[in-house]
Amino acid sequence: DQQVKQNSPSLSVQEGRISILNCDYTNSMFDYFLWYKKYPAEGPTFLISISSIKDKNEDGRFTVFLNKSAKHLSLHIVPSQPGDSAVYFCAASAGANNLFFGTGTRLTVIP
Amino acid sequence: ETGVTQSPTHLIKTRGQQVTLRCSSQSGHNTVSWYQQALGQGPQFIFQYYREEENGRGNFPPRFSGLQFPNYSSELNVNALELDDSALYLCASRPGTNYGYTFGSGTRLTVV
Repeated sequence: DQQVKQNSPSLSVQEGRISILNCDYTNSMFDYFLWYKKYPAEGPTFLISISSIKDKNEDGRFTVFLNKSAKHLSLHIVPSQPGDSAVYFCAASAGANNLFFGTGTRLTVIP
Repeated sequence: ETGVTQSPTHLIKTRGQQVTLRCSSQSGHNTVSWYQQALGQGPQFIFQYYREEENGRGNFPPRFSGLQFPNYSSELNVNALELDDSALYLCASRPGTNYGYTFGSGTRLTVV
């Protein structure tokens, strides 16, 4: 049973525009959410996180929004750059436990 | 030493064989987790070790086992390999209960 879902396998965005990646979860016990970025032949790299006590966290061009009532979070990248092209994984955890990952969204930023 | 290093990077094994994958974590990272990432899927949690003891396990059979050593290295052992075990195996470590997992680049295992 997939507890974290990323329903868009791919997304293409023009350079300079906003990229919005979405993630849904089913487990109401999740209290910490993370986004990882993965390039080919590399391991996932931590990008940004948010605790369930917040609804927004911002770090430079990256902002994560959490809607607990809808069990939905999104990652906004603005402005998008060609170097942002990668696979983005949404992950969640309950307490200080293991991570549950989504299936990933491949972002392509077109120059 | 910084980062998480995994070896080997690629491996081909025959069905029924046994394999050992290795991970070297950052100094001070007492918690290490192993994940399996099948093609087109997200990483799936296999198990976690904290100070050399297993303290969490995902939905994987007992033929998946592990060890963690005092020098911050760890191993993932898989017995009686099956074709479906073909995947990227990722090691991730963190200092205690800090959420900041650092992932290695993974070992690509192919079972033929």
